[in-house]
Amino acid sequence: KQEVTQIPAALSVPEGENLVLNCSFTDSAIYNLQWFRQDPGKGLTSLLLIQSSQREQTSGRLNASLDKSSGRSTLYIAASQPGDSATYLCAVRSGANNLFFGTGTRLTVIP
Amino acid sequence: ETGVTQSPTHLIKTRGQQVTLRCSSQSGHNTVSWYQQALGQGPQFIFQYYREEENGRGNFPPRFSGLQFPNYSSELNVNALELDDSALYLCASSLLDSPFLGYTFGSGTRLTVV
Repeated sequence: KQEVTQIPAALSVPEGENLVLNCSFTDSAIYNLQWFRQDPGKGLTSLLLIQSSQREQTSGRLNASLDKSSGRSTLYIAASQPGDSATYLCAVRSGANNLFFGTGTRLTVIP
Repeated sequence: ETGVTQSPTHLIKTRGQQVTLRCSSQSGHNTVSWYQQALGQGPQFIFQYYREEENGRGNFPPRFSGLQFPNYSSELNVNALELDDSALYLCASSLLDSPFLGYTFGSGTRLTVV
């Protein structure tokens, strides 16, 4: 069964700092990996979708990388802002046609 | 293009009662999945519906059941509510035929069981 782990569980950084969130998964047979943002008590907003054949995807200040063979993905956030404060979840889509989620990294950006 | 909409946004139920949550999928999507997210945890897969049939189920008891309608909208029903059913319930739509596309999530329904 696919297991997804996110490290760290929580992260607090000063505004303007670059940061990296980590995601690892146990089964490399995936279709894709998706990074989501979740504000407290809210639904999930998709940030980046990276296919199993891709190495990275970029959207604005966000860059996601994928190393499928080692079961790792990173989400890089450049020049962090207080508005980036949220929980970030990674999820992998495996052959069972559902998403397996990590428990998330709670990010706080201090003004 | 409309996104995924869920209703209601919040509700409070008493232990032992039954509840129905609703979801309208994103335009063009034919598959709806339901997830349960307990506080501080990642979402857990409940089940998926495709062409009005259940197409996969996570580790949830039979008192969790669902429906999908011809317009691809869906319902999640939970019978005999327990306190541990208190959670955020998320609906997601996707295209089963295109596994390389992503999932689109709704804003969720916050269920509190007292």
